[in-house]
Amino acid sequence: EPEVTQTPSHQVTQMGQEVILRCVPISNHLYFYWYRQILGQKVEFLVSFYNNEISEKSEIFDDQFSVERPDGSNFTLKIRSTKLEDSAMYFCASSVDRNTGELFFGEGSRLTVL
Amino acid sequence: AQRVTQPEKLLSVFKGAPVELKCNYSYSGSPELFWYVQYSRQRLQLLLRHISRESIKGFTADLNKGETSFHLKKPFAQEEDSAMYYCALGFGGSEKLVFGKGTKLTVNP
Repeated sequence: EPEVTQTPSHQVTQMGQEVILRCVPISNHLYFYWYRQILGQKVEFLVSFYNNEISEKSEIFDDQFSVERPDGSNFTLKIRSTKLEDSAMYFCASSVDRNTGELFFGEGSRLTVL
Repeated sequence: AQRVTQPEKLLSVFKGAPVELKCNYSYSGSPELFWYVQYSRQRLQLLLRHISRESIKGFTADLNKGETSFHLKKPFAQEEDSAMYYCALGFGGSEKLVFGKGTKLTVNP
């Protein structure tokens, strides 16, 4: 069964460093998402991406964040200058249809900012 | 603002007992409600959605617009139901899902 894959599973970085989290969505899916979950908190929407552009973003997704689909298979989330409060589990998800609410999630990338 | 509340952080029942995981939402329009589940060391996955009105793994959930609730129920819990359960809200014009904080269900033998 096809799955969303994410790398790395865990990344530790110093405050101020740039981080890129990678995701390979399911191949026939058209909608891509990033969510994050700070320890003990809710899973929060960051951004959705369709047709090679951002279709919706949350207030969390400020200028420090960017997303890209560089090669037709990978979907990346970049944090330019990490802060302590960026420490979280970051989930990539994809869906074939934006209206079903059925998101297929990856296993997550745990980011720890020191 | 749209919000999902799951009042129980932890819920523990014995095998064979009924279980109800509570979910309340805040949204003035027509909501779309979902239950997602995360088993130990597995990824978050869709369990069921209100629009389907289906039973999955013995679980059902009914949307009650008057009480703004979407509680998840199962008449006889099994040990393999132990997991983290998240209620999620979708709403018109937005691609995002708003999640609750989740309820960790433990079914004891």
